[in-house]
Amino acid sequence: SQQGEEDPQALSIQEGENATMNCSYKTSINNLQWYRQNSGRGLVHLILIRSNEREKHSGRLRVTLDTSKKSSSLLITASRAADTASYFCATDEGGGFKTIFGAGTRLFVKA
Amino acid sequence: GAVVSQHPSWVICKSGTSVKIECRSLDFQATTMFWYRQFPKQSLMLMATSNEGSKATYEQGVEKDKFLINHASLTLSTLTVTSAHPEDSSFYICSARVAGRDSNQPQHFGDGTRLSIL
Repeated sequence: SQQGEEDPQALSIQEGENATMNCSYKTSINNLQWYRQNSGRGLVHLILIRSNEREKHSGRLRVTLDTSKKSSSLLITASRAADTASYFCATDEGGGFKTIFGAGTRLFVKA
Repeated sequence: GAVVSQHPSWVICKSGTSVKIECRSLDFQATTMFWYRQFPKQSLMLMATSNEGSKATYEQGVEKDKFLINHASLTLSTLTVTSAHPEDSSFYICSARVAGRDSNQPQHFGDGTRLSIL
């Protein structure tokens, strides 16, 4: 079963603009993670936010978590063409043992 | 640190062939590894959880006899697609967590194996 659902499914922006992706999930979680996947490659972990955290920053990335709404957002500021990739949120399931991924957002940043 | 190597990166073979994919944690020990399948432009679907020294735990709908998983050491898990058919063509990705850590840790992914069955 897929825990996280993301929107938009696809996003196309100009370089320099901000990109916001949203994720919703269904059950209680210990943490929520965001990953990035370049075409045809494995996933790269970007950031993990715990259930007792509301916001977290890492470089140009900003993640928020609202456990009351069971949602999270990933903001990429001052986007670059190299940010073009698919972005997935992921949550734990089965007592935190395994990770379930959302459908993903395909981001395209035009130079 | 926390590098996962997956091999091969690309396989093309005839229908009926069995294909083995290796997943190695290069600089850490992983008691648990995960195997995912991904179709084009879709998300990752968890196939099974591979536990060192014990049987893998398969997700509902995944055939155990079709997708054989062996996790013989703390640094190696293998997925064998037995008697592969064109419908098994997909992108297979493994991941691992560092042994001894709790669930509030990210997974580390291999670069995936693209399997094409003719």
